[in-house]
Amino acid sequence: DAKTTQPPSMDCAEGRAANLPCNHSTISGNEYVYWYRQIHSQGPQYIIHGLKNNETNEMASLIITEDRKSSTLILPHATLRDTAVYYCIVRVPLKTSYDKVIFGPGTSLSVIP
Amino acid sequence: NAGVTQTPKFRILKIGQSMTLQCAQDMNHNYMYWYRQDPGMGLKLIYYSVGAGITDKGEVPNGYNVSRSTTEDFPLRLELAAPSQTSVYFCASSPRGVSYEQYFGPGTRLTVT
Repeated sequence: DAKTTQPPSMDCAEGRAANLPCNHSTISGNEYVYWYRQIHSQGPQYIIHGLKNNETNEMASLIITEDRKSSTLILPHATLRDTAVYYCIVRVPLKTSYDKVIFGPGTSLSVIP
Repeated sequence: NAGVTQTPKFRILKIGQSMTLQCAQDMNHNYMYWYRQDPGMGLKLIYYSVGAGITDKGEVPNGYNVSRSTTEDFPLRLELAAPSQTSVYFCASSPRGVSYEQYFGPGTRLTVT
């Protein structure tokens, strides 16, 4: 199964871009990269996902390297409400016809005033 | 839509007691999941379901049971509660499996003493 590696913690100044890296060197060709976040004591929240191309939505941008072995989640103008744990997830290869997803420890992002 | 709802929000159990954590979604999603999150740790998948009548084990299924008699409901049963099951439990649903975003409930905080 493809695994991900993220830094355990990061700081970002309010109003600046937050760039959160993720390594997934064993990713398979048909696996997607997903990002979720979890604000303290709340359920995780979906942010964005991608396969090969860079993606952007109203919350963030996702940059995936050409070899797909790493990616970066970009929050363009971080606010205090973006303080959360961010999870990078790669879809686990199917063992049966059913899907699974595995959450790692994630990156704890602190946005500083 | 209420999304994913979970009851109760909090519960204290004595060792050896049993209980059922309720989860319901009103988005007509086929896929549903149960996760647990221990303090300071990431999410771990307990069980999942791809539709009514179909369930499968995740990473940490021991000590738990599930059933899925309807599309809307996915209860998690704890038999003979143990202190190791003290955790926050999250239920999630997805329209078409983990290739698509998952929607999480607010969680149930369970303490076993």
